[in-house]
Amino acid sequence: DTAVSQTPKYLVTQMGNDKSIKCEQNLGHDTMYWYKQDSKKFLKIMFSYNNKELIINETVPNRFSPKSPDKAHLNLHINSLELGDSAVYFCASSQDTSRKFYEQYFGPGTRLTVT
Amino acid sequence: AQTVTQSQPEMSVQEAETVTLSCTYDTSENNYYLFWYKQPPSRQMILVIRQEAYKQQNATENRFSVNFQKAAKSFSLKISDSQLGDTAMYFCALNTDKLIFGTGTRLQVFP
Repeated sequence: DTAVSQTPKYLVTQMGNDKSIKCEQNLGHDTMYWYKQDSKKFLKIMFSYNNKELIINETVPNRFSPKSPDKAHLNLHINSLELGDSAVYFCASSQDTSRKFYEQYFGPGTRLTVT
Repeated sequence: AQTVTQSQPEMSVQEAETVTLSCTYDTSENNYYLFWYKQPPSRQMILVIRQEAYKQQNATENRFSVNFQKAAKSFSLKISDSQLGDTAMYFCALNTDKLIFGTGTRLQVFP
């Protein structure tokens, strides 16, 4: 069974479009994250939710809006896509954000290409 | 500010040999955790090993071990008996209030 799943795995779209990436975890974790990995493989956190509450919101353009309908799901909606948004987006989850020991389990990533 | 530095963009090693990947970090926190993650060509991020800052004993997971030098803020990863399947990007990461990654080291294991 997949622990953290993301859909779609690949997304090709044109500038100006709006798109969503979905993430689901079946680990019973309380905390979920979105990361962006750029073309140089640098990974940076974007958002974190704990029990549907936003707890980390890094310096990310307003065009990016996360939504957590329940603690097992965290979606990422991106408005007015730009070329610079092309990257791999990873969803992750962990048991409890206050327990820094707990590893984060990552999804397979979504490769977003904006043309 | 928290930072993680991996000074080796690329490394290579022959199968069955030992290789050490370097990582240094900076934080003013006393309570933190350090991780090494592996990202093979499949893109999946996989935890290799973790270290609690308050534990002096170095963590070990089978062929993987760390050399944790808290005063020097150094956290290197040693891979013994390297295997072809170890070929991947390796990321050092520091967790204080959020997980911060280094820029990664691309490791190639040759037959």
